[in-house]
Parts: sequence; structure tokens; C-alpha cells
Amino acid sequence: DADVTQTPRNRITKTGKRIMLECSQTKGHDRMYWYRQDPGLGLRLIYYSFDVKDINKGEISDGYSVSRQAQAKFSLSLESAIPNQTALYFCAVGSGANVLTFGAGSRLTVL
Amino acid sequence: GENVEQHPSTLSVQEGDSAVIKCTYSDSASNYFPWYKQELGKGPQLIIDIRSNVGEKKDQRIAVTLNKTAKHFSLHITETQPEDSAVYFCAPSQGGFKTIFGAGTRLFVKA
Repeated sequence: DADVTQTPRNRITKTGKRIMLECSQTKGHDRMYWYRQDPGLGLRLIYYSFDVKDINKGEISDGYSVSRQAQAKFSLSLESAIPNQTALYFCAVGSGANVLTFGAGSRLTVL
Repeated sequence: GENVEQHPSTLSVQEGDSAVIKCTYSDSASNYFPWYKQELGKGPQLIIDIRSNVGEKKDQRIAVTLNKTAKHFSLHITETQPEDSAVYFCAPSQGGFKTIFGAGTRLFVKA
């Protein structure tokens, strides 16, 4: 089993729909992250969490929300999806100095 | 906040040649300097990292060098092979664990 699992891997939706991307980890670490990847823009931090009661905004949190349901689960929601949120989304788990282990990614297309 | 720049954005080398990618950062408090490799269709994966009390670290064909005074660190790949073709990201951070990534460098190794 993968250390960091993201679901769904691919999703096509329509403008205005609510979308949830889920992330679970088996590494037992406290730090979890959501990043967005667009071509030529690298990885931009959306939200991060250092434990179940801790949620922090990243560089581009507008239009997104998160929930840390348990140490192992960190979900990202788009309350009302818009086309410019079409991107590849990555969940990551942090350990040590800040070594990040990434999931395989969730490709979201908003029509 | 941290401002991170990577150069070049694209690099094409002949198999067997060396490749160097440079990362410049703005936060003088940064103390952890990793490089990630992202292959097509996968999440980024840590390939080498260095702490601020070390100037250079080597792992087989890859090395990282750090110049804290000038606030930059570089990834060196020697004897490049086709499987080195990927996108490489730097992600300097300090103890707060809020990791910001550079925009990435796409490396092409021509056989």
C-alpha cells in the first residue's frame, strides 16, 4: 500500500459543483499538506496542518477549504468549483526536518 | 515570506554530460535545502537534501552545494542518463515547516 493515498485520481466536474479530494496516510506523521500544480508554476501551497486541531492557510487558499478528520486524513474541498481551479492537486506528509512524501496526485478538470 | 527562484527553467543535455540547477531563496532563516524529482505522472520525490551546517553533500551521481552567504544552493547531476529526464524542484525551508517550492526545472537528457 502507498504511504500517501489520494482519491479520486481523476475527476471531471462542472462549474458550481462542490468537490472533495481526499488524502490518507499510513506513515503516522502529524504534518499534512495540500499543493496545487499548474504547468510552469510549480507547486503552490494551499493549506497545511500540523495536527488534528491545527489548520493553516498557504499561498493560495481562496476558494478552498480543508478538514483534518483524523491524524491520518486530510481532505480538500472546493465549495463551488470554477474553471481556473482545473489543476493537478497533491497531498503530502511531512517528517523530520521537513521531508515531504507525496501522493500520486488528483487531476481535477472543471468545465 | 520566502521567495524562491530556480534557474534555468528548462535544461537540455547530452547523455553523459553534467547538469546544474540553481535555486535562490530570500529567507536568511532557511536551514533545510532539499531537491525533489518529479517523473511524468507521479508526485515529487526527495532525491537529496542538505542542512545549513553543511556546504556540500554527495550521493552517487547527484550532489547538492550550499552557499548560505549568497542564499543559493545547487543540484549537480554528473554522467546524466535518460532516466534523469524529469522536472526538478527546490524547496528551501526553515523550522516552521511551511515549505514553498521553486517553479521547477525541466531536464531533458538526449540519448
